[in-house]
Amino acid sequence: DTGVSQDPRHKITKRGQNVTFRCDPISEHNRLYWYRQTLGQGPEFLTYFQNEAQLEKSRLLSDRFSAERPKGSFSTLEIQRTEQGDSAMYLCASRRDSMSDTQYFGPGTRLTVL
Amino acid sequence: DAKTTQPTSMDCAEGRAANLPCNHSTISGNEYVYWYRQIHSQGPQYIIHGLKNNETNEMASLIITEDRKSSTLILPHATLRDTAVYYCIATGGVSGNTPLVFGKGTRLSVIA
Repeated sequence: DTGVSQDPRHKITKRGQNVTFRCDPISEHNRLYWYRQTLGQGPEFLTYFQNEAQLEKSRLLSDRFSAERPKGSFSTLEIQRTEQGDSAMYLCASRRDSMSDTQYFGPGTRLTVL
Repeated sequence: DAKTTQPTSMDCAEGRAANLPCNHSTISGNEYVYWYRQIHSQGPQYIIHGLKNNETNEMASLIITEDRKSSTLILPHATLRDTAVYYCIATGGVSGNTPLVFGKGTRLSVIA
C-alpha cells in the first residue's frame, strides 16, 4: 500500500500526559499537512510542511502542540499536557508540489483524553 | 479560498444516480473545485476535481456551470457503500499551496 499511513490509529490518554503521532506521507510527496477533526465538523487545518520546512501554522495550533518533519519524509505531531478538549481525530495529508495537485489523506489517529 | 454551501443531508435510492449540489458563487478564476468524501471514522477520500470543464473518472462525474458559481457531483449508480459525508471545496489559487477549508458537507444516505 503506497497511501498515507498514520500511527497509532487510536490513542487513549489521561489529561496532562504527552502524546505523539506519526504520519508517513506518500513517497515523493514533499508537502505534508496536519488537520484536526472534532465530532460533527469537517477537518480543520493545523499546520503544513514543504519538505522539512514548516511553512504555516493555524491559530488552532497552541503552544502545547509541536510538529516536526526532520528529514522531509515522515512527520510527528506532539501534544504536551493534553486536555479533554484535545480529543479529536488528527488527520495527515500529503501532496506533490504543483499548483493543482490533490491532497491524499491518511486514516487518522483518534485521540481520547480522559 | 471561496466559501461553498451545500445541503446538510440528502437521501438516494440504491442504484439510482446521486446528484450532490454545491454553490461557490465567490470562486476566483484560478480556484479549483474539489470533492472529497468521508466514510464514518475514516480519513477523507479524494473523489474528483475540476477547474472549468466537466470531469469524469471511475468514481464520479463533476459538472461545473459555465459561470463557475456552482457545481454538481454525480455518483451514477449509488450503492450502500457510498453513504458518507461529501465535501465540496474551492481552493488552489495562484500559489496552489493553500490548505483545504472544509465546511460541514452533505451527509448522503443511500437507502436500499
